[in-house]
Amino acid sequence: GENVEQHPSTLSVQEGDSAVIKCTYSDSASNYFPWYKQELGKRPQLIIDIRSNVGEKKDQRIAVTLNKTAKHFSLHITETQPEDSAVYFCAASITSSNTGKLIFGQGTTLQVKP
Amino acid sequence: NAGVTQTPKFRILKIGQSMTLQCAQDMNHNYMYWYRQDPGMGLKLIYYSVGAGITDKGEVPNGYNVSRSTTEDFPLRLELAAPSQTSVYFCASEGASGGPGYEQYFGPGTRLTVT
Repeated sequence: GENVEQHPSTLSVQEGDSAVIKCTYSDSASNYFPWYKQELGKRPQLIIDIRSNVGEKKDQRIAVTLNKTAKHFSLHITETQPEDSAVYFCAASITSSNTGKLIFGQGTTLQVKP
Repeated sequence: NAGVTQTPKFRILKIGQSMTLQCAQDMNHNYMYWYRQDPGMGLKLIYYSVGAGITDKGEVPNGYNVSRSTTEDFPLRLELAAPSQTSVYFCASEGASGGPGYEQYFGPGTRLTVT
């Protein structure tokens, strides 16, 4: 089955710097890649997603890139702010399975120091 | 809309006890999921459902059961609770556009401790 590896497990940056989190997936049939943010004690919430028919997607300070050949995708956060501090999860899914099942990475704890 | 709701918020169980975690959504979503999140770890899929009357196992189904008699409700049953089931349980739903591959909406979670 699908396996998603996420790195690094923790990331500390200064406010204003950029942060990059990387994920690799094993099943080449995966075609939907969401990123979720989870603040301490809260529920995960979708921040951005990408499908396999595009290579990059941006939403303000957040961008995601996808390399289908290498089977990896990355989250880029620019101009980080203290409120970006949270745990970030990548995930992969095969939409043609018609189940919506997501396989999550292990998570990255991002700390933005003011 | 209330979105996805879960009850209870917290529960302490003794080893061998049973309980049902409740999950409901009011978005008319077909797809519903149960995840567990162990401390410092990612989310593992326990069971999922693609519609009323249809359920299937996820990555870690042992020790759990589900049912889906209505579109709105997706309860998770723990039989013979074990310390290894200590975790935070999240229910989620999806289906705004009729098919999978879109945002999953998570409930607030249930924090379960088995001692």
